[in-house]
Amino acid sequence: GIQVEQSPPDLILQEGANSTLRCNFSDSVNNLQWFHQNPWGQLINLFYIPSGTKQNGRLSATTVATERYSLLYISSSQTTDSGVYFCAVDLLIQGAQKLVFGQGTRLTINP
Amino acid sequence: NAGVTQTPKFRILKIGQSMTLQCTQDMNHNYMYWYRQDPGMGLKLIYYSVGAGITDKGEVPNGYNVSRSTTEDFPLRLELAAPSQTSVYFCASSYTGYAGYNEQFFGPGTRLTVL
Repeated sequence: GIQVEQSPPDLILQEGANSTLRCNFSDSVNNLQWFHQNPWGQLINLFYIPSGTKQNGRLSATTVATERYSLLYISSSQTTDSGVYFCAVDLLIQGAQKLVFGQGTRLTINP
Repeated sequence: NAGVTQTPKFRILKIGQSMTLQCTQDMNHNYMYWYRQDPGMGLKLIYYSVGAGITDKGEVPNGYNVSRSTTEDFPLRLELAAPSQTSVYFCASSYTGYAGYNEQFFGPGTRLTVL
């Protein structure tokens, strides 16, 4: 099956720093989502991005489908950005569309 | 819209007990999903449904059952709970109305411990 790999697994930064999280996938996909899992466990949709670049405030994402990777950029980090960031690729499997998740990047922003 | 709601938030079961995790969505989504998340891991698909009356297995279905009698509800049943089913369970839904579109929205999760 498809492999979804995220890097780095852990990232510790000071408040105000910028960061780049990467998601590589081993096969062609229909689409890709980025999620933030906050310290309370809630999964929050960040981006739904099959290709190109999207921006939402301090966050932006770029997916290069032909090269099978996506990047999530966080600028001017705040402590509330802490948590785990997941990418998930959207596949058509046995006639139904499903998400396959990476293992996540744990981001810690220190004050 | 409340989105995707799940009950209960927390539950402790003894080995061999059974329970049903409830999931409801009010977005008229056709697809619904159940995932489990083990500590330090990503989410794995247990079961999914493409519409009322239609369900199918995901990656890790053993020990679970589902039904979908309405568009809104998608309960997950655990029979004969085992310690290996200790996990956080997430329900999700999406409107997959045309090819390639499947943005999923998640409920708050149910934290289950089996002792």
